[in-house]
Amino acid sequence: KQEVTQIPAALSVPEGENLVLNCSFTDSAIYNLQWFRQDPGKGLTSLLLIQSSQREQTSGRLNASLDKSSGRSTLYIAASQPGDSATYLCAVTGNNRLAFGKGNQVVVIP
Amino acid sequence: DAGVIQSPRHEVTEMGQEVTLRCKPISGHDYLFWYRQTMMRGLELLIYFNNNVPIDDSGMPEDRFSAKMPNASFSTLKIQPSEPRDSAVYFCASTEDRAYEQFFGPGTRLTVL
Repeated sequence: KQEVTQIPAALSVPEGENLVLNCSFTDSAIYNLQWFRQDPGKGLTSLLLIQSSQREQTSGRLNASLDKSSGRSTLYIAASQPGDSATYLCAVTGNNRLAFGKGNQVVVIP
Repeated sequence: DAGVIQSPRHEVTEMGQEVTLRCKPISGHDYLFWYRQTMMRGLELLIYFNNNVPIDDSGMPEDRFSAKMPNASFSTLKIQPSEPRDSAVYFCASTEDRAYEQFFGPGTRLTVL
């Protein structure tokens, strides 16, 4: 069974600093890896999708890398802003199902 | 497209009552997923459909839960009878292909008293 881990569960950073969020998974047989953002009481918004054949994806201030062999992904958010405060979830697709980590709860302090 | 639509957004019911959650996927998406999110367990896949056919229901917690997809634009998740431990946020998601990104609805927050 695929296990997805995100550590730490919560972190705070001052505005302007770069954010680095880590995700690890146990089974490297994946189709893709997806990073989501979830605001309190809201649904999930897809941020980036990395196919298993790719090493990274970029969108604006966001960059996600994937190292399938070591079972790791990292989400970088450059020059963090208070609006980046949210929970970020990592999910891997494999064996017909999406397995989620429990998320990194991020607070960006103005 | 309006995105994935779920109703109701909030549901409060008493233990033993039947609860029906509804989902309309994005048009053209062949896959539909039902998830449950709790503080303790995070997001868990309950069941998913491909072309209206249930493919994997191994995440459905017990026989009190059932899901249907009578057509490409509508799915229901039913809990009967409901119990307090069913209280959670239930999400519906859809995608064109299982290798593509999934799009989530806003969720239904269920409270069973």
